[in-house]
Amino acid sequence: SQQGEEDPQALSIQEGENATMNCSYKTSINNLQWYRQNSGRGLVHLILIRSNEREKHSGRLRVTLDTSKKSSSLLITASRAADTASYFCATDALATSGTYKYIFGTGTRLKVLA
Amino acid sequence: GAVVSQHPSRVICKSGTSVKIECRSLDFQATTMFWYRQFPKKSLMLMATSNEGSKATYEQGVEKDKFLINHASLTLSTLTVTSAHPEDSSFYICSARVKGRLNTEAFFGQGTRLTVV
Repeated sequence: SQQGEEDPQALSIQEGENATMNCSYKTSINNLQWYRQNSGRGLVHLILIRSNEREKHSGRLRVTLDTSKKSSSLLITASRAADTASYFCATDALATSGTYKYIFGTGTRLKVLA
Repeated sequence: GAVVSQHPSRVICKSGTSVKIECRSLDFQATTMFWYRQFPKKSLMLMATSNEGSKATYEQGVEKDKFLINHASLTLSTLTVTSAHPEDSSFYICSARVKGRLNTEAFFGQGTRLTVV
């Protein structure tokens, strides 16, 4: 399968709680990105983390990357109902063709209850 | 910031007809563009990688003759769904990488929802 895997597949939490999503991938990567998608809409870029970085922050978002374990996590702190969406990781991996391409994880559907 | 415009955002077509979707990088040059397909409540599956001036590289299982990709300029790539059938109904999204920059984000279009009736 070309895809990475994310867990959990679905997550339901109360407003104000933290939400953690994990992403695992299979090949060496150039960078990894997290995206958000509201139902039926396009993708919104959240954060990019490069292969030589271990942690990045952006507002209420915290992303970690462990290249030895080929995994990344996205933490959303103090969640809000408006954070309800699907979240995907995308890895920028070197293909056999010699070019880099983005492969998406299976996604986590987050529901934040007010 | 870098903007990728995808057109149309929604299209309904009859079975057997062809539909063209455009992906434009508005304020940057994109050597490489990617086309993805997303089924309801599923993730995005990479269909093909489009390089300016050369043939697209298709992922395994994607029909080249059904999904024609053209990348005629550094700011435009098109995906044509030929002889569309209801099973081709899906959400199609393109993305573009800035020319000459590898270690950066890909910019995504807003997607095209195709419904074949």
